[in-house]
Amino acid sequence: NAGVTQTPKFQVLKTGQSMTLQCAQDMNHEYMSWYRQDPGMGLRLIHYSVGAGITDQGEVPNGYNVSRSTTEDFPLRLLSAAPSQTSVYFCVARGNTEAFFGQGTRLTVV
Amino acid sequence: LAKTTQPISMDSYEGQEVNITCSHNNIATNDYITWYQQFPSQGPRFIIQGYKTKVTNEVASLFIPADRKSSTLSLPRVSLSDTAVYYCLVGEVSSSSYKLIFGSGTRLLVRP
Repeated sequence: NAGVTQTPKFQVLKTGQSMTLQCAQDMNHEYMSWYRQDPGMGLRLIHYSVGAGITDQGEVPNGYNVSRSTTEDFPLRLLSAAPSQTSVYFCVARGNTEAFFGQGTRLTVV
Repeated sequence: LAKTTQPISMDSYEGQEVNITCSHNNIATNDYITWYQQFPSQGPRFIIQGYKTKVTNEVASLFIPADRKSSTLSLPRVSLSDTAVYYCLVGEVSSSSYKLIFGSGTRLLVRP
């Protein structure tokens, strides 16, 4: 019963590098999203998707890209990492009643 | 999306009942009220959801008055492991437009 799986769990990047945070769900939920959480702050929505082929911006989309080619996968791409993107990232798959969060990816940009 | 207001923090002691109130004055007819719990270094997890009156599960109870402009999450006999941040969210959960916007949450500290 995997639920939402995020990889990697930890990552250190240098400023200007690019990378992709992977997210996969096995619950067949149409709605998926990415959040970032910074120390002492709540969760902020980066991008979301209501189904394969459909994505939209959340509250803080700048510097991030997403795509949704399948129901299962929703990767988040950092195009050119900046120190301001140091954060914990959560991937979410939502059903009608509840949302299921991944374990998070702790990203540090130096 | 209806805005929610919660206390920033609460303190309690083991064995006590804790009630966390959330205000959502602009709640819409089709909106549900959902509560999530987040432990340090983990993603939030669903606790309970309701539309009106009272909902109870094995973890908590949710009280919603008739006007639905507020709701109260009740945690019976808390333990140290209930120390966490609790988020109240309001939205039309079955709709693709429900984007799960989190507020600052209520930081609950349970003391021995």
